[in-house]
Amino acid sequence: DAKTTQPNSMESNEEEPVHLPCNHSTISGTDYIHWYRQLPSQGPEYVIHGLTSNVNNRMASLAIAEDRKSSTLILHRATLRDAAVYYCILSLGGGADGLTFGKGTHLIIQP
Amino acid sequence: NAGVMQNPRHLVRRRGQEARLRCSPMKGHSHVYWYRQLPEEGLKFMVYLQKENIIDESGMPKERFSAEFPKEGPSILRIQQVVRGDSAAYFCASSPPEVSGPTDTQYFGPGTRLTVL
Repeated sequence: DAKTTQPNSMESNEEEPVHLPCNHSTISGTDYIHWYRQLPSQGPEYVIHGLTSNVNNRMASLAIAEDRKSSTLILHRATLRDAAVYYCILSLGGGADGLTFGKGTHLIIQP
Repeated sequence: NAGVMQNPRHLVRRRGQEARLRCSPMKGHSHVYWYRQLPEEGLKFMVYLQKENIIDESGMPKERFSAEFPKEGPSILRIQQVVRGDSAAYFCASSPPEVSGPTDTQYFGPGTRLTVL
């Protein structure tokens, strides 16, 4: 499976935007980029996914580099409830597979 | 629309006992996945099932662990003769049938926290 690299942790202030980077230099042409997050003591939660174009939903935006070797999850206005571990995951679109979770980025939000 | 349900939420077993973890997928979902999260570690994929079929069990330990997803009823993850190292959070996820769109968006349950004494 193609691998992703994320910073271990990031810190941000409440009500400010947060940009969470992910490198995936070995991504293949059919790999989707998924982001999940896991709040303390909860199951993972789907955030957003994309293939080539930037994507927006009510939770976040996903900016994908033109060469697809990296992507950035953008939380436009972080709240304390966004404190979680964020996982960037590649998976083959069109088929259902087990997800490969790395260590993710531990996002700390300061009030 | 109820989400993925798992029960029990907490399970305590003594070494050598059996643990049965249940997962009811979201309505209309036909794919079920099980993951394990050991303390202070990331989630590891264990098994992927569709109704009455195991599709991928590449992450399942070779012994004592089994999973099923019968035609009727929830998916069951069964751990026989539990050991202390089995203490972990076990998460179930489900996804819709392929005809509904990309199938790799998974919806997770709250998990079952297994403690082996």
